[in-house]
Amino acid sequence: AQRVTQPEKLLSVFKGAPVELKCNYSYSGSPELFWYVQYSRQRLQLLLRHISRESIKGFTADLNKGETSFHLKKPFAQEEDSAMYYCALLTSGTYKYIFGTGTRLKVLA
Amino acid sequence: DGGITQSPKYLFRKEGQNVTLSCEQNLNHDAMYWYRQDPGQGLRLIYYSQIVNDFQKGDIAEGYSVSREKKESFPLTVTSAQKNPTAFYLCASSMMRGLNTEAFFGQGTRLTVV
Repeated sequence: AQRVTQPEKLLSVFKGAPVELKCNYSYSGSPELFWYVQYSRQRLQLLLRHISRESIKGFTADLNKGETSFHLKKPFAQEEDSAMYYCALLTSGTYKYIFGTGTRLKVLA
Repeated sequence: DGGITQSPKYLFRKEGQNVTLSCEQNLNHDAMYWYRQDPGQGLRLIYYSQIVNDFQKGDIAEGYSVSREKKESFPLTVTSAQKNPTAFYLCASSMMRGLNTEAFFGQGTRLTVV
């Protein structure tokens, strides 16, 4: 079955501390993985995708096919990073976009 | 102004009535999606469509129906068969090819059954 798992519903860290939001996926094909973010009162929007291998707002994520993971990391959290984060999988061929249950990140001053 | 528009923002429905949520995009995207967002459950896929006049059931399609008569439009009908329809509904669209498979989301429709 195709599935995206985000084990943490809530993650609280202090400003300046490192952040890691976990994401594991289950998919037999070649996955395309994304992280989306939803700031308060804003639309859900793309943060980054594994294909681009880019760093956005200091966040990075590496696809580990052996561990079927795509964890999101940032070395030093900022208060403005507080938001809801969703990991997503796009299946090849059927183009089914599957989202995880989300992790709320709270960065404390 | 390009984007994806959902309407209305808030919708109230009496039990036993069908209701249709609108989703329109002018991004020339092939794929369109409907999700239901409930607290603690993330985004659950209701229906998706890759091309006009074709669509597939997602993980929670029971009690819902869709149509895709035009590329830019993907309305969702919440039928009286849906046991727990009160929720926040999100529509999204994306390209299906190349590097730009980013999903663009609407502002959402909050449906309340009274």
